Amino acid sequence: DAGITQSPRHKVTETGTPVTLRCHQTENHRYMYWYRQDPGHGLRLIHYSYGVKDTDKGEVSDGYSVSRSKTEDFLLTLESATSSQTSVYFCAISENSYEQYFGPGTRLTVT
Amino acid sequence: RKEVEQDPGPFNVPEGATVAFNCTYSNSASQSFFWYRQDCRKEPKLLMSVYSSGNEDGRFTAQLNRASQYISLLIRDSKLSDSATYLCVVEGTGGGNKLTFGTGTQLKVEL
Repeated sequence: DAGITQSPRHKVTETGTPVTLRCHQTENHRYMYWYRQDPGHGLRLIHYSYGVKDTDKGEVSDGYSVSRSKTEDFLLTLESATSSQTSVYFCAISENSYEQYFGPGTRLTVT
Repeated sequence: RKEVEQDPGPFNVPEGATVAFNCTYSNSASQSFFWYRQDCRKEPKLLMSVYSSGNEDGRFTAQLNRASQYISLLIRDSKLSDSATYLCVVEGTGGGNKLTFGTGTQLKVEL
């Protein structure tokens, strides 16, 4: 299995609070991605990174920001969490091909 | 039209049966195709890539029909452990080695 960890694995937070999710990889892969998965929607890309300090938006980026200051870490921040951001969040990595490898996920509940 | 469409199932089959899943995609420029497997409350895992000539990995066979923009996955001699959701995945648009995921087809293999 690819060396990808996510933290925290579970989090419950209140509406309006900031939340940061962390993805850490030990594979030295160039690309990192954040997805959310909701019933009926499948996996949807939030943001992705193609190198240190190089990031771009995905299809559902509103309300989310990201940062990548080191190759191994990709942070996803919800500036002011809303109930619609209750979801399962997956991080993924890839190198030169389109094959992506996923972390174990973070279950976020916004009350 | 969704970018990647799959029959959500569930497909309930007896152990030992052969089952086939189909998927259609809308981006005719896509060159890379995959099947991922996702167990309940787990991360997606790469099952196999799909090549133009078709490819086989043990009991699993993947086929691609570019003219019809159609991908298939055949599972022979189904095992209880094959029970999972199978995601059809297609190269996305806009660079970044992005992928577009179908919502998945659920398979339940029964005794």
